[in-house]
Amino acid sequence: GQNIDQPTEMTATEGAIVQINCTYQTSGFNGLFWYQQHAGEAPTFLSYNVLDGLEEKGRFSSFLSRSKGYSYLPLKELQMKDSASYLCAVKRERYSTLTFGKGTMLLVSP
Amino acid sequence: GAVVSQHPSRVICKSGTSVKIECRSLDFQATTMFWYRQFPKQSLMLMATSNEGSKATYEQGVEKDKFLINHASLTLSTLTVTSAHPEDSSFYICSAGEDSNTEAFFGQGTRLTVV
Repeated sequence: GQNIDQPTEMTATEGAIVQINCTYQTSGFNGLFWYQQHAGEAPTFLSYNVLDGLEEKGRFSSFLSRSKGYSYLPLKELQMKDSASYLCAVKRERYSTLTFGKGTMLLVSP
Repeated sequence: GAVVSQHPSRVICKSGTSVKIECRSLDFQATTMFWYRQFPKQSLMLMATSNEGSKATYEQGVEKDKFLINHASLTLSTLTVTSAHPEDSSFYICSAGEDSNTEAFFGQGTRLTVV
């Protein structure tokens, strides 16, 4: 089976930097994805890692350590519109499906 | 990027009736599409994997006779919630990817309310 853990909630102020963590346990790891989901909307893709290290993709980068079963999503210069749920999802080898964590609700305040 | 379109975005139906939700890949062919359900403040839970030209694969605990999936073409999968009850009220989301090694693109989601 798989186990994916994320903090339930985080709060920060505009302009700040936060790091959303995700730990996972799975067999046959084949990639970790980060999605952003605003209330009542579908998730949108942010970033993807399959190799160790930092994957830089515009404003949304993500880091992966496969040996530690750990990923994080750093968010810089936070804006009010960044208030959303951030979902970590793991893909297993030979499967096309993603297993999602419960998401981290980020609240950005003025 | 690839676009997945889902329709309708919202539907209200009476208890006991059936509702059909469509999921289309607009600029790519998807041999596999996925259907998720999300209850308020919960994560996305995979319901079933829809395979073009063959039977869908359902996750444990999901009733295949209640949630009918048809994937008749490479660009369209449908989910029909049969004999809907209030407990079926949820946010249903489909996803598809161009191949198994890329990110999944999500439809806009369907908010189903059964009254």
